[in-house]
Amino acid sequence: DVKVTQSSRYLVKRTGEKVFLECVQDMDHENMFWYRQDPGLGLRLIYFSYDVKMKEKGDIPEGYSVSREKKERFSLILESASTNQTSMYLCASSLSGIRDTQYFGPGTRLTVL
Amino acid sequence: AQTVTQSQPEMSVQEAETVTLSCTYDTSESDYYLFWYKQPPSRQMILVIRQEAYKQQNATENRFSVNFQKAAKSFSLKISDSQLGDAAMYFCAYTGANNLFFGTGTRLTVIP
Repeated sequence: DVKVTQSSRYLVKRTGEKVFLECVQDMDHENMFWYRQDPGLGLRLIYFSYDVKMKEKGDIPEGYSVSREKKERFSLILESASTNQTSMYLCASSLSGIRDTQYFGPGTRLTVL
Repeated sequence: AQTVTQSQPEMSVQEAETVTLSCTYDTSESDYYLFWYKQPPSRQMILVIRQEAYKQQNATENRFSVNFQKAAKSFSLKISDSQLGDAAMYFCAYTGANNLFFGTGTRLTVIP
């Protein structure tokens, strides 16, 4: 079974802090994704990566950056956290391309105070 | 612009009955994929079913089936013989050549 893990289930940070969310997958998938999930808005794609050191912006990249130094790990970075970034963050991976089935992590619920 | 609309924020179904969740999308592409994902309470999101737009036959997975109407841009999910474990948020998703959109979700409650 594919396993996608995220570093924290719950995280509380202060406004202005730099925040790192980590995601690891164990199935040698090429593609990895970061979403945020908000009630009434569904999932919105922040960034995705189709290879090591490669990234593409999604629908809402503002205020976020990403890093993929190794194939299995995809990090989401909030350079200066703000209260409107309080949300559930989901990581996912897929074997080949955005049209392939995605496997999701458990999510990180981030609260920015 | 591509969008995905799930017009039913909440649905309920009696155990063992059938329920249909609706999804419509807007696109100018001819080649795309559609998905239904399930997110149980406090658990990870998983794939329910996947449909390739070029295939006319509706996808099925055990008790789950879709009604794919390409001309109408409709992709509804039918759950037959509903079980308590089907209670979850269900998300419809569209992927085109290089984009990916999810709907806002439908919360399904299964009544014992």
